[in-house]
Amino acid sequence: DAKTTQPNSMESNEEEPVHLPCNHSTISGTDYIHWYRQLPSQGPEYVIHGLTSNVNNRMASLAIAEDRKSSTLILHRATLRDAAVYYCIPMNSGNTPLVFGKGTRLSVIA
Amino acid sequence: NAGVTQTPKFQVLKTGQSMTLQCAQDMNHNSMYWYRQDPGMGLRLIYYSASEGTTDKGEVPNGYNVSRLNKREFSLRLESAAPSQTSVYFCASSAGASGQPQHFGDGTRLSIL
Repeated sequence: DAKTTQPNSMESNEEEPVHLPCNHSTISGTDYIHWYRQLPSQGPEYVIHGLTSNVNNRMASLAIAEDRKSSTLILHRATLRDAAVYYCIPMNSGNTPLVFGKGTRLSVIA
Repeated sequence: NAGVTQTPKFQVLKTGQSMTLQCAQDMNHNSMYWYRQDPGMGLRLIYYSASEGTTDKGEVPNGYNVSRLNKREFSLRLESAAPSQTSVYFCASSAGASGQPQHFGDGTRLSIL
């Protein structure tokens, strides 16, 4: 499994953009990059995933480095409800289970 | 809009008791998973079922058994509960194809005294 490195914690002001980095330098060429988040006392929630190109959805944007060794999850305007632990997880093209690291705990300040 | 449903939501057991955690999904997903999450930690995989009729061990299978009852349901059994199994248990499902996302239930909070 590809190893990931994420900051333990980050802080953002409400309504400002947040860039959550992830290093996955050992990722294989066929691994997707998945992001999940876990709000307090809830199960993980899928946020976004991509392979090579940048991706956008209603929740966030995913910027993938050209060499695919790192990616950045972008929340365009942080809200208090975005306070959660964010997990970056490489996932191969089969149905291999996710391997969770410790993630980044995002705090949002009003 | 149920998604993945886990029962019960909370349970307290005594050491040595047995219990089955239930999980059902209504998204016609092929793959289902059981994870546990200890306080302050990330999720760890216990068992998974890539498709109906198959099950495989994950990172921490000892002390657990699973049954993929049908395509919808995947149960986790603790035969003789131990305090070390106190945790929050999450069930998840996915379509199983090319990097498709997993969908998680709300968890079962299990305490073993």
